[in-house]
Amino acid sequence: SQTIHQWPATLVQPVGSPLSLECTVEGTSNPNLYWYRQAAGRGLQLLFYSVGIGQISSEVPQNLSASRPQDRQFILSSKKLLLSDSGFYLCAWSQRPYEQYFGPGTRLTVT
Amino acid sequence: GENVEQHPSTLSVQEGDSAVIKCTYSDSASNYFPWYKQELGKRPQLIIDIRSNVGEKKDQRIAVTLNKTAKHFSLHITETQPEDSAVYFCAATNSGYALNFGKGTSLLVTP
Repeated sequence: SQTIHQWPATLVQPVGSPLSLECTVEGTSNPNLYWYRQAAGRGLQLLFYSVGIGQISSEVPQNLSASRPQDRQFILSSKKLLLSDSGFYLCAWSQRPYEQYFGPGTRLTVT
Repeated sequence: GENVEQHPSTLSVQEGDSAVIKCTYSDSASNYFPWYKQELGKRPQLIIDIRSNVGEKKDQRIAVTLNKTAKHFSLHITETQPEDSAVYFCAATNSGYALNFGKGTSLLVTP
């Protein structure tokens, strides 16, 4: 069966510091991968998705970037965090379009 | 782009009653409509979904209906139980990749 991992689980970072969140999927090959952000008490906002190594689609322009260096690895980065970057970051995967399954998430607090 | 509106934002029912959550979407090309359940502090879980070529889908106590003409879809939960208490999100997409989420409905089932 497929498993999706995210780390770290929680993170507290000062404004202006860099960010790197990692997501990996096990038990499948060539998955579609997604990064979402959920602000406190809000819905989910798609940030990036990838259909293959090196292929990144950006949905929302901001100070975040994503990379997919390996088939089952997806990384979310920032060079300088803003207060507004605080939130619950969720990675998701799908074997084909449509059914998406979420990882456990990373709770980021920017201070 | 796609705009998904979800109502109500909060819903309180007694155990055993039915609960209905409604969503409307703006893009007539949307063809996939999933529902997610998110318990406090946890990841969203896919509970049911429907494609545009189907009008209704049922899975035990949960059902989803779709009205393409009116561009709305609904989640129906029958015989509610306290463990159904959670935040429920609807979503829509025309690509299968970029899910556009509603803002969520907080469901409370009281014994």
